[in-house]
Amino acid sequence: DTGVSQDPRHKITKRGQNVTFRCDPISEHNRLYWYRQTLGQGPEFLTYFQNEAQLEKSRLLSDRFSAERPKGSFSTLEIQRTEQGDSAMYLCASSRRTSGIVEQFFGPGTRLTVL
Amino acid sequence: AQSVSQHNHHVILSEAASLELGCNYSYGGTVNLFWYVQYPGQHLQLLLKYFSGDPLVKGIKGFEAEFIKSKFSFNLRKPSVQWSDTAEYFCAVIPPAGFQKLVFGTGTRLLVSP
Repeated sequence: DTGVSQDPRHKITKRGQNVTFRCDPISEHNRLYWYRQTLGQGPEFLTYFQNEAQLEKSRLLSDRFSAERPKGSFSTLEIQRTEQGDSAMYLCASSRRTSGIVEQFFGPGTRLTVL
Repeated sequence: AQSVSQHNHHVILSEAASLELGCNYSYGGTVNLFWYVQYPGQHLQLLLKYFSGDPLVKGIKGFEAEFIKSKFSFNLRKPSVQWSDTAEYFCAVIPPAGFQKLVFGTGTRLLVSP
């Protein structure tokens, strides 16, 4: 399977703990995106990387959230001091570099439950 | 606030019925428009997209959408649905100067009964 992969698929944690999610994009894609989806809502943009550079961050991304893409390949999203409101599906997407707009390919997501 | 609106949250149809799902956006200027589908237990997949040119766009699995600029709309249609079309459908927009970020509607859950 050469699609976007995410790990873990499910994470249950207690409030106050730190969690880290990983996303592996499609290999030739240099753009990577994180979204968050809560029940009954569409995905909401969190942040966007082009290669290793983080080019945009949503105001949804509080200072407890940090994302990295150190070598321009896989990315990690860390949430520190988790809160119950962080419970959601965290989606990763990737796209190839082009001067225009292209399709974003989504991974299966990591479902986070904060108890 | 600028947004994407999907007016139908739940739709129930019988097989062979025609489908139209509404999508409206509130951004001015040039936008790029998408419909994504999420089948049960699967990840989001692109159904179709509009960037420019012919406002009637054809996608996979017999779906099509029409961009009407004057109405800020991008409605999804299928003339005859199948049970396998049961899924959640999301309209999404890349706004002007949106840096490639997708802004999604809240989604429409479609249930097709056999």
